[in-house]
Amino acid sequence: KNEVEQSPQNLTAQEGEFITINCSYSVGISALHWLQQHPGGGIVSLFMLSSGKKKHGRLIATINIQEKHSSLHITASHPRDSAVYICAASSGGGADGLTFGKGTHLIIQP
Amino acid sequence: DAGVIQSPRHEVTEMGQEVTLRCKPISGHDYLFWYRQTMMRGLELLIYFNNNVPIDDSGMPEDRFSAKMPNASFSTLKIQPSEPRDSAVYFCASSPSGTTQFFGPGTRLTVL
Repeated sequence: KNEVEQSPQNLTAQEGEFITINCSYSVGISALHWLQQHPGGGIVSLFMLSSGKKKHGRLIATINIQEKHSSLHITASHPRDSAVYICAASSGGGADGLTFGKGTHLIIQP
Repeated sequence: DAGVIQSPRHEVTEMGQEVTLRCKPISGHDYLFWYRQTMMRGLELLIYFNNNVPIDDSGMPEDRFSAKMPNASFSTLKIQPSEPRDSAVYFCASSPSGTTQFFGPGTRLTVL
C-alpha cells in the first residue's frame, strides 16, 4: 500500500510570498493529484499529473518520478489561497481510488 | 451540470440506527468513489465503482458498511448499525474514465 507524506503540516505566510508544499510517496504511481479543501469543507481537484510540470494561474505542480516526490507552488500568494492542500496518489492509471496525504493547512495573512 | 450531488448534507442519528447516504454522480462519469474524512485518519477510500460494478471495497471498515450502485446515476452508502466512531464527513466523487475526480459537498454524519 502506498504511503503518502506531506510537509509541512501547517504553514503561515505573508501575502505575496512564494509557497511550496511537498509530497512524497513510497511506491510507484500512475498519477499524483493535488486537491484543495476550502474552509467550508468542499474539495476541488487542482492538478493530476504523471510527469513533468503543470501550471494553472498562480499554481504550479511538479513531479519527479525517480525521486517519488511532488511539489505544489503558489506564486504571489493571496489570503484567498488559505485552505488545506492535499496530495493523493493513484496507482491504476488514475482509474482507482486515491491514497491521501494528511494535508497542509496554509494560512496567508494580509 | 450541477456537479456531484450528495444527500443529506448533515445527518445526526443515535447509535444503533441505520444510516443511508446518497450520491448522484455527474452524468457521463463512469467511475464513482466513496471516501471518508476524519480528524484522526484524514481522507480514506471506502469503495469505488466502475460502470456500476464495485471494483475495490477493501477500504470498507467492516460488515456494517455496504454500498450499492443500482444505476449510473445513483449510489448509496449504508451503515447498519451505526456507531459513534462512524462520525465523519463522507464524500462521494465521480470521474470520467479515471481522470480528474470531482467531489461532492460531503455528508457530515454525527452518531450520538
